[in-house]
Amino acid sequence: QVQLQESGPRLVKPSETLSLTCTVSGGSISNYYCTWVRQPPGERLEWIGNIYYSGTTNYNPSLKSRVTISIDTSKNQFSLTLGSVTAADTAVYYCVKGAGWLPDSWGQGTLVTVSS
Amino acid sequence: EIVLTQSPGTLSLSPGERATLSCRASQSVRDNYLAWYQRKPGQAPRILISGASNRAAGIPDRLSGSGSGTDFTLTISRLEPEDFAVYYCLQYGSSPLTFGGGTKVEIK
Repeated sequence: QVQLQESGPRLVKPSETLSLTCTVSGGSISNYYCTWVRQPPGERLEWIGNIYYSGTTNYNPSLKSRVTISIDTSKNQFSLTLGSVTAADTAVYYCVKGAGWLPDSWGQGTLVTVSS
Repeated sequence: EIVLTQSPGTLSLSPGERATLSCRASQSVRDNYLAWYQRKPGQAPRILISGASNRAAGIPDRLSGSGSGTDFTLTISRLEPEDFAVYYCLQYGSSPLTFGGGTKVEIK
């Protein structure tokens, strides 16, 4: 059974860069889309974007100017960077492995707080 | 982008009762690419339904999805204790993918 685990700093200062890594175990990420989703407190889930194992990316236009998703198939990991963060970027961030574009297997999520 | 509206926000029911959850889209969902997820406190979301009506592996047949175009429904025929949770719909037919606001099914 595939398992995903998010890792990275839980506290980021305003204007700095948020960086998270997702480590996948129990299955290869090759041939799959890997997705990041977030949920700010009290708000709905938001699709951030995805990356195919080949490196092709797709981003939510609302975040596109600040987001980069990358992949390392040799480590079975994919990563998220979000630049110029503000308090509005405080959220639980989930990494998700996809069946095509459909988010399928989810990590537990990690709360990242933006605060000085 | 497609806006998904879920109703009701909260559903208070007793075990054994039938639950009907609605998800309405602001425009037609391509190829009925509509999924449903369940999330319990402290757990990762779990996929229940894809393609509007296809149950994921291991999902009991008391859960069923229906609908097309802009109107979709998740039905739980007889609520079991483990069904009390928050449910989300997602459209994955158009980018950006978008989620509904969620329906909480709570014990009455």
